[in-house]
Amino acid sequence: SQQGEEDPQALSIQEGENATMNCSYKTSINNLQWYRQNSGRGLVHLILIRSNEREKHSGRLRVTLDTSKKSSSLLITASRAADTASYFCATDGEGTSYGKLTFGQGTILTVHP
Amino acid sequence: KAGVTQTPRYLIKTRGQQVTLSCSPISGHRSVSWYQQTPGQGLQFLFEYFSETQRNKGNFPGRFSGRQFSNSRSEMNVSTLELGDSALYLCASSFRGGEAKNIQYFGAGTRLSVL
Repeated sequence: SQQGEEDPQALSIQEGENATMNCSYKTSINNLQWYRQNSGRGLVHLILIRSNEREKHSGRLRVTLDTSKKSSSLLITASRAADTASYFCATDGEGTSYGKLTFGQGTILTVHP
Repeated sequence: KAGVTQTPRYLIKTRGQQVTLSCSPISGHRSVSWYQQTPGQGLQFLFEYFSETQRNKGNFPGRFSGRQFSNSRSEMNVSTLELGDSALYLCASSFRGGEAKNIQYFGAGTRLSVL
């Protein structure tokens, strides 16, 4: 079963706008990651935030983590048509061995040129 | 450095048959994980192999099995295929240590259609 839910399920914006996606999870975690998937292909790692971190930046990406609410958000600033993809959060639970990630249901982002 | 390679890319099988999927991890990565992706259930963890041993297993029936070889290449096998096994099967490798903790690198997937 999925760890949690992502919100919104689909997001449609214009190029240059910001896109914000939210993720909730159910159990205690070690880390939370965000991945991107283009058209049913493999996933690409975007960013990792540790459970003791609250915010992290990487280029146009900003991730926040609120462990008290068991939630995270991914902000993509100044979006481009090439950002069109599905975005997933993934967690590895506390005490879980390496190799097992639990994914959210994903947000489908469409950026119109 | 070559990425994760999955073969074949596409497979069509009929109910009752069995199938073997292959995954070659990034050089130096010793952990290989497998996931099933379907529109209804999303991404679900199947199992993980490290040093030729299964370290973690998801909630899938025993028809789903895997193995890992000494060169870290991995295979997964699905026996007695059912229509519901139609999915994108993704393999991911990871370094399993240091700052790269559990960051996984995915292959392009094998699209399995069961008729």
